Amino acid sequence: DAKTTQPTSMDCAEGRAANLPCNHSTISGNEYVYWYRQIHSQGPQYIIHGLKNNETNEMASLIITEDRKSSTLILPHATLRDTAVYYCIVRVGDLNDYKLSFGAGTTVTVRA
Amino acid sequence: KAGVTQTPRYLIKTRGQQVTLSCSPISGHRSVSWYQQTPGQGLQFLFEYFSETQRNKGNFPGRFSGRQFSNSRSEMNVSTLELGDSALYLCASSSSGSSYNEQFFGPGTRLTVL
Repeated sequence: DAKTTQPTSMDCAEGRAANLPCNHSTISGNEYVYWYRQIHSQGPQYIIHGLKNNETNEMASLIITEDRKSSTLILPHATLRDTAVYYCIVRVGDLNDYKLSFGAGTTVTVRA
Repeated sequence: KAGVTQTPRYLIKTRGQQVTLSCSPISGHRSVSWYQQTPGQGLQFLFEYFSETQRNKGNFPGRFSGRQFSNSRSEMNVSTLELGDSALYLCASSSSGSSYNEQFFGPGTRLTVL
């Protein structure tokens, strides 16, 4: 089974970039990597996802290594409102038969 | 557009009872997924429904079941509740037939089993 690991916590200064790593060394095929974040007492919020290429949207950038064994979520200019738990999720399988491997989440604290 | 709504938001039950949780997806969304979140196990996938059919399920016992109605609203049921079922139950909807797309989560139902 796929295994997804993330650091437990990290701090970031407001206005600086936050780089969140995720290790998915058991990835082997067409598995998607998703990132969500969860602010206390709310449901998770989608950030970005990718398969092989790097992706960027208005919230963040996703860098996937060439061997796809790890990825990094980049919040380019962290704000206090980015303080949350960030989850890396790997989806293995096809549309009707897939498994989700959840990271335990990285608690990101943005400090002024 | 209204977001995903879940009812009730909080629920207290005792061991052995059963419970039904409800989820209304974003209008037009046909895929609904359910997740369990606990401090010890983190996020875990329960099942996904699409067009009233269960499309996939996670590794949970048969006490956990769900269904989806023709209007895409979904319910999940847990029978013979155990203390370990205390958790935040999250529902998420997705816009297209492909659940590869982003999912929109509701606020969750906090279930406490005494």
